[in-house]
Amino acid sequence: SAVISQKPSRDICQRGTSLTIQCQVDSQVTMMFWYRQQPGQSLTLIATANQGSEATYESGFVIDKFPISRPNLTFSTLTVSNMSPEDSSIYLCSVEGGDLYEQYFGPGTRLTVT
Amino acid sequence: QKEVEQDPGPLSVPEGAIVSLNCTYSNSAFQYFMWYRQYSRKGPELLMYTYSSGNKEDGRFTAQVDKSSKYISLFIRDSQPSDSATYLCAPAQGGSEKLVFGKGTKLTVNP
Repeated sequence: SAVISQKPSRDICQRGTSLTIQCQVDSQVTMMFWYRQQPGQSLTLIATANQGSEATYESGFVIDKFPISRPNLTFSTLTVSNMSPEDSSIYLCSVEGGDLYEQYFGPGTRLTVT
Repeated sequence: QKEVEQDPGPLSVPEGAIVSLNCTYSNSAFQYFMWYRQYSRKGPELLMYTYSSGNKEDGRFTAQVDKSSKYISLFIRDSQPSDSATYLCAPAQGGSEKLVFGKGTKLTVNP
């Protein structure tokens, strides 16, 4: 299985600012995923990031708000832009596992926007 | 109607109990049905999955899918305190890497 790390593990930010979350994998993977887990809500896919191509965003998520970079096969970043308190959430990255429907998740970044 | 509905609980049982966790879904195109387990302040990890209708057993865990009623179940036998976690069902369509997660059911197994 892949080992995934995320930075920062948590942060408290002021509204109107931006935060970039890093996701590092210990092996090369083609597909990486970014999720949001809001309190009391389902784990929701934000976008899928393949190396060498633009990220594919799910309905309700836009690139201007959540720009994603995927510079190589072991690293990705998600930026939460112009933050509001509604962006307070846990953000998780995941990568494809050995099986098509298996994903390995990072520990998450706990974001609080004040 | 949400694509996946899951009772968030919380569910509290004594050690050794049989636990039943359930989800319903609305999308008939779902063919693969995953159960993820998430410990506190950790990312989810895949517990097991089934394809189409039927049962699948893995140790103390049994996953069951009834496509006719769009009902997914996870049974835990002889539950242990280490099973205390949030369990998320996550169906997927064939040919798509996208998982649709339920809200998760928080389970506590008391020693």
